[in-house]
Amino acid sequence: AQRVTQPEKLLSVFKGAPVELKCNYSYSGSPELFWYVQYSRQRLQLLLRHISRESIKGFTADLNKGETSFHLKKPFAQEEDSAMYYCARPYPGPRATNKLIFGTGTLLAVQP
Amino acid sequence: EAQVTQNPRYLITVTGKKLTVTCSQNMNHEYMSWYRQDPGLGLRQIYYSMNVEVTDKGDVPEGYKVSRKEKRNFPLILESPSPNQTSLYFCASSSGGNKTPYEQYFGPGTRLTVT
Repeated sequence: AQRVTQPEKLLSVFKGAPVELKCNYSYSGSPELFWYVQYSRQRLQLLLRHISRESIKGFTADLNKGETSFHLKKPFAQEEDSAMYYCARPYPGPRATNKLIFGTGTLLAVQP
Repeated sequence: EAQVTQNPRYLITVTGKKLTVTCSQNMNHEYMSWYRQDPGLGLRQIYYSMNVEVTDKGDVPEGYKVSRKEKRNFPLILESPSPNQTSLYFCASSSGGNKTPYEQYFGPGTRLTVT
C-alpha cells in the first residue's frame, strides 16, 4: 500500500533551536512530495513542494530517494512556526486525479 | 478573493438526522474533494470529484454521499449520521490536469458533532 509516514505526533522545541519534521514515503517510481501546514484556527495550506526546491518561511525539504524521506527542516525555529504539519504525496495513477495521500501529521510546538 | 467556503462551520446534531455540509469554490477548479481529520489519523479522503457529474469514493466513503451538479459546488451529505462521524471536515479544490497539480486549496473546516 502507498503510505506516507510521519513518526512523531508532537515535536516540541525551544525558539531558536533547529527543527526537523520527519516524513517517509513508500516507494513508487519518482514521487512528488509536499508539505502542508495548518496554523491554529486557519485552514490547511501548501507550504512547499519538493519539485520547486524552494525555501518558504525558512523551511526546506530535500527528497532523499535512498532513504525514501522528505524531512522538513528549519535551522532556527520561531514561535509563529507552531502548527500542524502534514506530509503528502499523490496516489499512483493518472496525474489528473489529483488525489493526495496525507501522513498523520506532526504538531510542532515552539516554546519561548 | 479566491477561496473555498464551507457551511456550516460548526454543527451539533443527533443520530439519524440527515444533514448537508456545503462547499463552494470560486476558482473554476475541476477537482474537488472532502476529507475528515481525526486525531492520530490525519486527513483521510471521503469522496472526490474530477469534474461535474464525475465523483468517486476516497478512502472512507461509508455513510457519506456527494453530488457535483455544478462546477463550483460539492456538498457532502450524511443521510443518517452516527457518532463515529463526529469529526472535522475539510473541503478542498484544485485545478486538475497538468496545471500545477496537487496544490489543493482547503476550506476553513466544519466541526461536526453527532450525539
